[in-house]
Amino acid sequence: DGGITQSPKYLFRKEGQNVTLSCEQNLNHDAMYWYRQDPGQGLRLIYYSQIVNDFQKGDIAEGYSVSREKKESFPLTVTSAQKNPTAFYLCASTLGFSRDVSNQPQHFGDGTRLSIL
Amino acid sequence: RKEVEQDPGPFNVPEGATVAFNCTYSNSASQSFFWYRQDCRKEPKLLMSVYSSGNEDGRFTAQLNRASQYISLLIRDSKLSDSATYLCVVSSGGSYIPTFGRGTSLIVHP
Repeated sequence: DGGITQSPKYLFRKEGQNVTLSCEQNLNHDAMYWYRQDPGQGLRLIYYSQIVNDFQKGDIAEGYSVSREKKESFPLTVTSAQKNPTAFYLCASTLGFSRDVSNQPQHFGDGTRLSIL
Repeated sequence: RKEVEQDPGPFNVPEGATVAFNCTYSNSASQSFFWYRQDCRKEPKLLMSVYSSGNEDGRFTAQLNRASQYISLLIRDSKLSDSATYLCVVSSGGSYIPTFGRGTSLIVHP
């Protein structure tokens, strides 16, 4: 079955450490996204990528970095510059940014919970 | 003004009740609308898209009012398993970056 796989499910970060969250999809989707969700809050966009080798900052990109070397993969690195990284991180994808495709819902992975040690 | 607003609730209803949520959006150029369901500590899952003419899926009915810039979700004959947070999602035609509401919490009790 096609889907989005995020790993690990739980991750602990020590102060000063960079950590990388994995996101892999086999849906053949062009667009991929990273969101952060804090308790009782909505989703906030960190980074998104419309196509391989291209990505754009979202609303809260500071302290994060991404890469998009392959269509299937969009890893997120939480750097030591992100002072409050504890949150639920969600990766999503959509078919693409073509204007010919309307009503494209997002498909989500099951998330990674990041906490500070 | 926030781009997408939802009443956070919680809406506390008995089994079998009918409950309705509204979601208002500020961008009149918005083109795509969705309702997602999110269970506690889980990822959001698509419940239904919202079409201009309104659409129904079993006990769930979604409607769009472009003039007043809101979408609605009606749940009939509520089940205990409907307890969740319901997220409203709106995409504007120019960017295709969806905007999520904060969600409305529904608790269905026996």
